[in-house]
Parts: sequence; C-alpha cells; structure tokens
Amino acid sequence: NAGVTQTPKFQVLKTGQSMTLQCAQDMNHNSMYWYRQDPGMGLRLIYYSASEGTTDKGEVPNGYNVSRLNKREFSLRLESAAPSQTSVYFCASSEPPGLRTDTQYFGPGTRLTVL
Amino acid sequence: AQSVTQLDSQVPVFEEAPVELRCNYSSSVSVYLFWYVQYPNQGLQLLLKYLSGSTLVKGINGFEAEFNKSQTSFHLRKPSVHISDTAEYFCAVSHPVNDYKLSFGAGTTVTVRA
Repeated sequence: NAGVTQTPKFQVLKTGQSMTLQCAQDMNHNSMYWYRQDPGMGLRLIYYSASEGTTDKGEVPNGYNVSRLNKREFSLRLESAAPSQTSVYFCASSEPPGLRTDTQYFGPGTRLTVL
Repeated sequence: AQSVTQLDSQVPVFEEAPVELRCNYSSSVSVYLFWYVQYPNQGLQLLLKYLSGSTLVKGINGFEAEFNKSQTSFHLRKPSVHISDTAEYFCAVSHPVNDYKLSFGAGTTVTVRA
C-alpha cells in the first residue's frame, strides 16, 4: 500500500515549456486534490476532483489544467510554464463522500523550478 | 469564507520544553479544524482533527489541541518536545459550505534544539 505517489520528484523547466505532474493513489479514495506550497503562504488549492469524472477550480487555477484519468490517477498540466509557477506541488486524496470530514492524505511532493 | 491565521511563523524551543502553536480562524459558521505536520522534504500528515464533541483533542506523537469557540482558536500543544518534532506545522479548516475543501494557514516552523 504505497498511499499517494507523485512523479517526478524534481523538475527544472524553461519559461514556456510544458509538463505534466502525475499523481496516483491506491486507497480507493474518490476525492483528489492538487496544491501548491510557497514560503509563507501555506498550501493553496489549485484544482480538485470530488469524484471520478469531475474536476473543479480551487483558489489558484490560472495557468494549470487537470485530468482525472480514472479513480486512481489525477494529473496536473502546465501548458506554458512561468517563473511564478516555481513551487512545491502536492497531490492529496481523501475518503469517499459520506465521510466528508475525513483526512486528506498527501504525496511527497514535486519541486518545480521554472527558469 | 474561512481564513486561518497562524500567529507565529517561527518557534525555536529547547528539547524537553513545552511548545504551543497558535491558530485562529475566522468563519461565520461552525468549521472543522485540523493540524498537519510536514517533516523536512516530506508531504503533510495529519496530527489531529476536531469535528465535534470534546474540545480537547489528542493526536499522534503526544500532541493535543483545544478548540475554543468563543475565541475562534485551535492552539496546538505538546508538554515536552523532542528533536524529532522539528518540522513545519499547518493549521487548516474546512466546512460543508466550502465543499469540505481545506483552507491552510501559512505554517509555523518549529526548531527543537538540544
């Protein structure tokens, strides 16, 4: 049981390049989330998927797109990277609806630098 | 909407001393409250949560927090810290009005010294 896994762990991009961050969970959770973490700002929600087939914007969605590929996988895409997107990105998942107050489980993060 | 304020950005503390991390929230409705910990170069993991019931909540690794509705606070405490408690700590709130999405505070870095 690996929990939430993210790839890659580190990435350096040039301005304007694109990339996709991958996230997978093996806990049969319905809900999945993408956050970014910046110094002094805590974690901010980029996008989330309450269940397979649905996605919604969070607090800071501009410059990002997401795909809920199946129940296990939720990817985050940067179409044209900008230096302001330099951050640490975390994926999380949580237990099925009906237990809506439940814990979110986090992956180890992806450190992205955009030059 | 809810917002979360962590009153201390850095807390240095000596080993075996007590520590308190302060968290205040603003909300017009009742919320659910969480403390997460992030060890260096790792993701976040849940320390404890308050959903309802007793206002004193006990979590993992000897941490506890007290919910104070009148002061809209959810301070985290540990009576005696270890070097291994060096980490960043995040307070967070959620509510069904906001579809249970978590709103995080800016974090408090705890550095434990021998």
